[in-house]
Amino acid sequence: KAGVTQTPRYLIKTRGQQVTLSCSPISGHRSVSWYQQTPGQGLQFLFEYFSETQRNKGNFPGRFSGRQFSNSRSEMNVSTLELGDSALYLCASSPSRDRTLSYEQYFGPGTRLTVT
Amino acid sequence: GQNIDQPTEMTATEGAIVQINCTYQTSGFNGLFWYQQHAGEAPTFLSYNVLDGLEEKGRFSSFLSRSKGYSYLLLKELQMKDSASYLCAVRDSILTGGGNKLTFGTGTQLKVEL
Repeated sequence: KAGVTQTPRYLIKTRGQQVTLSCSPISGHRSVSWYQQTPGQGLQFLFEYFSETQRNKGNFPGRFSGRQFSNSRSEMNVSTLELGDSALYLCASSPSRDRTLSYEQYFGPGTRLTVT
Repeated sequence: GQNIDQPTEMTATEGAIVQINCTYQTSGFNGLFWYQQHAGEAPTFLSYNVLDGLEEKGRFSSFLSRSKGYSYLLLKELQMKDSASYLCAVRDSILTGGGNKLTFGTGTQLKVEL
């Protein structure tokens, strides 16, 4: 069974640009969560999608957005990039079914975003 | 919201036992997770506790006391490959719309020495 895949793995952007990151969950998993990891703040929750609907949202500005497609693949977008957005962006998939929660969350390898 | 505290660094000897503590203050609770993260890699799931008590899984055990807002991860027979960051995370309550939202501590960097 293939794991969680994220593309691209590395990205360099300039301040003011926008970026889209992609996450393909494990086959059969319907929940996808996104996290930002930085040395200073650690892992911080961005949002979770389940069945194409945003189920949860963290405390990030509106420049951070996401969506989920019918095949459960998810994308997150960051507009008007700032230097502080440089981070490792991780997605995690879970086999949650409907409102039943599974404790299993499997992380992808992440996308390393550098903003210059 | 959630507030999670764990030590920043710990050092232990190969073959020994180490206990990594985690305390939390939460407005809702639906489970506590421990993840291991090696440098440059994704976090990998180690354990999950939602009820009080000890969960054992091979060389790793995790304990939870909900009344005290306290958990620990116990690693036995330490190996060099256990050198990594260990992350404690709490999941929000379903009642507060928790879903799969995890709040992570900043991690404990464990160094295993010969």
